[in-house]
Amino acid sequence: DIQMTQSPSSLSASVGDRVTITCRASQSISSYLNWYQQNPGKAPKLLIYAASRLQSGVPSRFIGSGSGTDFTLTISSLQPEDFATYYCQQSYSTPRTFGQGTKLEIK
Amino acid sequence: QVQLQESGPGLVKPSETLSLTCTVSGGSISTYYWTWIRQPAGKGLEWIGRIQSSGITNYNPSFKSRVTMSLDTSKNQFSLNLTSVTAADTALYYCARRRQQLGGDWFDPWGQGTLVTVSS
Repeated sequence: DIQMTQSPSSLSASVGDRVTITCRASQSISSYLNWYQQNPGKAPKLLIYAASRLQSGVPSRFIGSGSGTDFTLTISSLQPEDFATYYCQQSYSTPRTFGQGTKLEIK
Repeated sequence: QVQLQESGPGLVKPSETLSLTCTVSGGSISTYYWTWIRQPAGKGLEWIGRIQSSGITNYNPSFKSRVTMSLDTSKNQFSLNLTSVTAADTALYYCARRRQQLGGDWFDPWGQGTLVTVSS
């Protein structure tokens, strides 16, 4: 199985900050990487697919980049509704696997 | 707009079978692949497997031979059966639609999730 490792596991930031979350795959996954946002008590929501493609309806402050083994999700200017947990997920091979999550908290 | 809703028993006894159904509305189940994903309390996400409209399935090997998925096109539903459950199978179970493009795939949308507790 491909292991997905996110860093940091948790992050404190303020509204308006620029934050970056990193996801590393245990082997090259080309650009087959997706990002999800999960708010407490809610299902995950797709933000970014194919490493950098913004899902329809998702604000443009969410930016995905990377290829191979290293990927990033950047939120250019944090909004109050962005404080949530973020997961990366690879679709290069089966079984599909997720990172352990990064919890973004208000400073 | 496609919406998914999980249903099934919230409590299952150890060694018994967990059975969940996902009802799809706003679109035909015959068009896409469909997926089950679970999340133990306070933990991350685990892909269980997927089923396509033809009935072809792919399962996570970590579940060995315990998992079976099926679909009922007449009801626009798909189902998950997980046998010989233990406390480790206690989790929030999500169904989701698989979308694919450019060689990759992703999950969107998701159901709201249903909590299944394994306990005697």
